[in-house]
Amino acid sequence: EAQVTQNPRYLITVTGKKLTVTCSQNMNHEYMSWYRQDPGLGLRQIYYSMNVEVTDKGDVPEGYKVSRKEKRNFPLILESPSPNQTSLYFCASSLSSGRDTGELFFGEGSRLTVL
Amino acid sequence: DAKTTQPNSMESNEEEPVHLPCNHSTISGTDYIHWYRQLPSQGPEYVIHGLTSNVNNRMASLAIAEDRKSSTLILHRATLRDAAVYYCILADRRTGNQFYFGTGTSLTVIP
Repeated sequence: EAQVTQNPRYLITVTGKKLTVTCSQNMNHEYMSWYRQDPGLGLRQIYYSMNVEVTDKGDVPEGYKVSRKEKRNFPLILESPSPNQTSLYFCASSLSSGRDTGELFFGEGSRLTVL
Repeated sequence: DAKTTQPNSMESNEEEPVHLPCNHSTISGTDYIHWYRQLPSQGPEYVIHGLTSNVNNRMASLAIAEDRKSSTLILHRATLRDAAVYYCILADRRTGNQFYFGTGTSLTVIP
């Protein structure tokens, strides 16, 4: 089954404790992206990746890092989480070519609480 | 980066058509228009996308203005399961990046 898998789905942590949210897709998609969703603010892009070893900032990259060492994985790293990073996070992927922009497939979301 | 503007909320009666508008006056020639929806407690899901011509699929229709500065998502017969937040976004064909979701339109379907 084609899917985007995020882990963990729920996490409560404390300020400053490094954490990683993993994202994996099994569709051989080149494009992957991370979003955060906050009440009243909709979905905001954090980082995206057009292919392996190619990443770029989205609208709200501060406080986050990403890496794309393999095509299927795109982890989101919070080196020193702060309470303002409490949010619902979504990973997404798509098969994107130069002729068209493919549909985005989203994971089920990871709800992060930073105390 | 091109952005979109949508009404915050809309209502529709069940089994009636729904027209969800989206303005994107700064759209560029390489931007595709995408629509997604997000049901409560779920991740967004793809609905439809197009470039210049109107598009139809099993879920909806997409009507694109001739100047491409606006578009309309059409749900032909609203059901209670269509109650969701609908997002209109632009995706750049050159870069493939889809980045600006905004706050979308919250659709309420009245039985």
